[in-house]
Amino acid sequence: GQNIDQPTEMTATEGAIVQINCTYQTSGFNGLFWYQQHAGEAPTFLSYNVLDGLEEKGRFSSFLSRSKGYSYLLLKELQMKDSASYLCAVPGYSGAGSYQLTFGKGTKLSVIP
Amino acid sequence: GAVVSQHPSWVICKSGTSVKIECRSLDFQATTMFWYRQFPKQSLMLMATSNEGSKATYEQGVEKDKFLINHASLTLSTLTVTSAHPEDSSFYICSARESKETQYFGPGTRLLVL
Repeated sequence: GQNIDQPTEMTATEGAIVQINCTYQTSGFNGLFWYQQHAGEAPTFLSYNVLDGLEEKGRFSSFLSRSKGYSYLLLKELQMKDSASYLCAVPGYSGAGSYQLTFGKGTKLSVIP
Repeated sequence: GAVVSQHPSWVICKSGTSVKIECRSLDFQATTMFWYRQFPKQSLMLMATSNEGSKATYEQGVEKDKFLINHASLTLSTLTVTSAHPEDSSFYICSARESKETQYFGPGTRLLVL
């Protein structure tokens, strides 16, 4: 199975940089996803890492270390609209045998002025 | 990216009634769709996997007779909550798999059972 751990809540100031960590345990690694979810909305894709290292995409970057079972999402130049939950997810097989995404509980980020 | 739609976006119903939620992949064919449920301040929990042309695969604890899933075509899956009760009130989200590593989420359906 899969197990994902990430902080429940974080607060950061507009314009600052914030790092959201995720640790995972999975049998058979097939990459790691980060999704953004605004309250009351479905998740939207941010990044997918399958190799070690940092991948940068605009203000958002995602890092992966497979040996440590660790990833982080880095958000730069924070904007108020970045206030959302950030979900770490890994693909794998569910209890019923479906190949699907298992999500962490999400980190609720609050950006303050 | 690809688009997945869900209908309705929100529904309020009386206890004991049934509610049907549709999930459509608009610009790709999806042999596999997933139905998730999310309670407040919780993460998405997979309810079942919908397979086109075959029976859905339900996760442990999800009653297949209560949550009926039909995947009649490569672009449509439906979830019917039968005899809904207040504890079924939740945010239901579908996703459609385009490839092994790519799945797109619908906008979600908020269900409130009175």
